[in-house]
Amino acid sequence: KAGVTQTPRYLIKTRGQQVTLSCSPISGHRSVSWYQQTPGQGLQFLFEYFSETQRNKGNFPGRFSGRQFSNSRSEMNVSTLELGDSALYLCASRNQETQYFGPGTRLLVL
Amino acid sequence: GESVGLHLPTLSVQEGDNSIINCAYSNSASDYFIWYKQESGKGPQFIIDIRSNMDKRQGQRVTVLLNKTVKHLSLQIAATQPGDSAVYFCAESDQAGTALIFGKGTTLSVSS
Repeated sequence: KAGVTQTPRYLIKTRGQQVTLSCSPISGHRSVSWYQQTPGQGLQFLFEYFSETQRNKGNFPGRFSGRQFSNSRSEMNVSTLELGDSALYLCASRNQETQYFGPGTRLLVL
Repeated sequence: GESVGLHLPTLSVQEGDNSIINCAYSNSASDYFIWYKQESGKGPQFIIDIRSNMDKRQGQRVTVLLNKTVKHLSLQIAATQPGDSAVYFCAESDQAGTALIFGKGTTLSVSS
């Protein structure tokens, strides 16, 4: 089976812009989670989607949002980008307990 | 609050040695734990997991030990190889069972 794929892999934006990241889960996986990874804060949970519904949300501002489509693919959006949003954004999919991660999208905000 | 931490930020070993990476967690109600390996430029890769009704689980060259009494988790890697060099994270499932709470990671360096 193909693993979790994320696009784009790298992205450069400027403050105030918005960005959309995409994630395709492993075939058959219906749960998709998003995490932010920074050197200072480590890996932090953003939100989790299952069957197009957000089931859980981490402690991030409302500028961070996401959605899931009927084919389980997911997108996350960050509006009004800030310098501190520079990070590796990771998507993970699962069908039971184990979460399998994609390679991430490296976002740089200038 | 819930948090997961690691005792040492770095660990250096010689090729062929056994490595032990430790992790302490704070939520005694956690029932699922998992170890990931992250190489530079890649996403975390699943190594092994364990449920709270177990105290030991073995995989290929890896063993995870869970001590619920002191809320301690460890990853043992046998015959460590240069390819094992990476950052290792422990994580626990949150109370909703849908999110992972990660520790800060231990960088394992293996010299040959």
